[in-house]
Amino acid sequence: GQQLNQSPQSMFIQEGEDVSMNCTSSSIFNTWLWYKQDPGEGPVLLIALYKAGELTSNGRLTAQFGITRKDSFLNISASIPSDVGIYFCAGLENSGYALNFGKGTSLLVTP
Amino acid sequence: NAGVTQTPKFRILKIGQSMTLQCTQDMNHNYMYWYRQDPGMGLKLIYYSVGAGITDKGEVPNGYNVSRSTTEDFPLRLELAAPSQTSVYFCASGRLAGETGELFFGEGSRLTVL
Repeated sequence: GQQLNQSPQSMFIQEGEDVSMNCTSSSIFNTWLWYKQDPGEGPVLLIALYKAGELTSNGRLTAQFGITRKDSFLNISASIPSDVGIYFCAGLENSGYALNFGKGTSLLVTP
Repeated sequence: NAGVTQTPKFRILKIGQSMTLQCTQDMNHNYMYWYRQDPGMGLKLIYYSVGAGITDKGEVPNGYNVSRSTTEDFPLRLELAAPSQTSVYFCASGRLAGETGELFFGEGSRLTVL
């Protein structure tokens, strides 16, 4: 499976700040997804994107499916301490059976 | 609300021992997966299955085996455990290929090989 390039690797921010992270691939994907993993838990889906150019929000989270279909970004506005965790991007290629995951962005939020 | 259930949650093995990580899902998903997660390395696919009786290798299959005799169960077998297999293992299920790309993950099984 192809490894996606996710950045940044880690972020250490203050409560109330906005956060942005992105993911790129050398392959075209039909689906981009963003997952969050809390400590000691499995990843949980935050946002799913199915069309190039699509911009989707889920509360304070906003994600976009890049027009080239090779990238995606996730923004978190007005961060709070419970946003702490590891955020993963994942992509699904055409005719693919399994998701390709990025290495994750570790987010720490101080009160 | 069971979703994906993995057992055991923690296990310590000696080098050369064998064990099976159990995974079961109650959502009638065709697709099931085993990933391993190492610090800073993301999730790497070990094996996957697109339905009962069908399995295929992922990115890092060496040292592992799987079977899928039912839709619900997808056990992962470690033969001759090695320190390199120390990791957190996640089982996941979902509907892919033309439907939603969402995967549902279990809580993970933390394995240490000494």
